[in-house]
Amino acid sequence: EAGVTQFPSHSVIEKGQTVTLRCDPISGHDNLYWYRRVMGKEIKFLLHFVKESKQDESGMPNNRFLAERTGGTYSTLKVQPAELEDSGVYFCASSQRGLARSYNSPLHFGNGTRLTVT
Amino acid sequence: SQQGEEDPQALSIQEGENATMNCSYKTSINNLQWYRQNSGRGLVHLILIRSNEREKHSGRLRVTLDTSKKSSSLLITASRAADTASYFCAPRRDDKIIFGKGTRLHILP
Repeated sequence: EAGVTQFPSHSVIEKGQTVTLRCDPISGHDNLYWYRRVMGKEIKFLLHFVKESKQDESGMPNNRFLAERTGGTYSTLKVQPAELEDSGVYFCASSQRGLARSYNSPLHFGNGTRLTVT
Repeated sequence: SQQGEEDPQALSIQEGENATMNCSYKTSINNLQWYRQNSGRGLVHLILIRSNEREKHSGRLRVTLDTSKKSSSLLITASRAADTASYFCAPRRDDKIIFGKGTRLHILP
């Protein structure tokens, strides 16, 4: 089975520009998570989709960040306009969601998108 | 918070020795998971221990969980160069899985 894929792997943009990150989860995985890691700090939770619905977006930093998951398949995370503090590695992860709402399904991560805002 | 806090932040040991990493958290959980991250890659799931379990083994990995102390430990036995990576504990409460800063493990040849 194909793993979680993220695109692009790297992005360098100037402050004020817009960037869109994409995540393709494992087929059939209803859960999709976005995380961000700033160098030396924790892997910070951003938000969680169940299919196309936002289940929890409590970690989104501000309204410059917009996440979508149209049709419940791939997801995009747009940053507009980008600020210097948005630099970091953005990870996407997916997992199965069974009828019993199993909490024992592990997360499968993509390799991340390294975003540098200059 | 639900976030796991790993200790130590960094650990260097000789190949063949055992490595122990600890994790503390503050809320009730459904389970606790450990992940590994190699440089430039995504996190890889290693092992999951449920809240009603106290110890679990998988190959060279041994995980313990003490819910009364809200702590967990990950033991890697007979370490190898390929074990060099960052290790994260992830307490899970319902749908939320929160990671900490991780432990950077370096295996010396």
